Amino acid sequence: KAGVTQTPRYLIKTRGQQVTLSCSPISGHRSVSWYQQTPGQGLQFLFEYFSETQRNKGNFPGRFSGRQFSNSRSEMNVSTLELGDSALYLCASSDQGATYEQYFGPGTRLTVT
Amino acid sequence: KNEVEQSPQNLTAQEGEFITINCSYSVGISALHWLQQHPGGGIVSLFMLSSGKKKHGRLIATINIQEKHSSLHITASHPRDSAVYICAVRYGSQGNLIFGKGTKLSVKP
Repeated sequence: KAGVTQTPRYLIKTRGQQVTLSCSPISGHRSVSWYQQTPGQGLQFLFEYFSETQRNKGNFPGRFSGRQFSNSRSEMNVSTLELGDSALYLCASSDQGATYEQYFGPGTRLTVT
Repeated sequence: KNEVEQSPQNLTAQEGEFITINCSYSVGISALHWLQQHPGGGIVSLFMLSSGKKKHGRLIATINIQEKHSSLHITASHPRDSAVYICAVRYGSQGNLIFGKGTKLSVKP
């Protein structure tokens, strides 16, 4: 089976712009979770989608949003980008939900200038 | 406050040494994960455990529920084990993962 894929791998945006990141889970996996990783805060949970429904949400402002499509592919969107949004954004998929073993994608490195 | 503490933050070892990384958490959990992250960012899930001990090759993970503590051991360490090892816990059956800051391991040949 192909692993979790994320596109794009690298992205440079300007403050105030918005960005959309994509995650394709392992075939058959219905759960997709998103995480932000920064040098200062480490890894932090953003949200989890399961069968197109948001099941859990971390402590991030409303500028961070996501969705999941019927084929389990997921997107996350960040509006009105701030310098502090520069980070590695990782998604992970699981066949039974985020409480089970997760398989991580390679991440999207976002730089906001 | 639900926290995850890892120690040490940084660890340098010689090839062949036995390595232990520790993780402590503050309240009862439903599961604990050990993750490995190589330079470049990719994360691999090594273990998920809620009790006892698991072994995979040269890696062993243990958890003591009463003491709220887990350890990751690497036997006969090798330079390819150089990576950041991250402990993450889940509080409650549907809670999200909370991560430790990671332990950066460097194994010298």
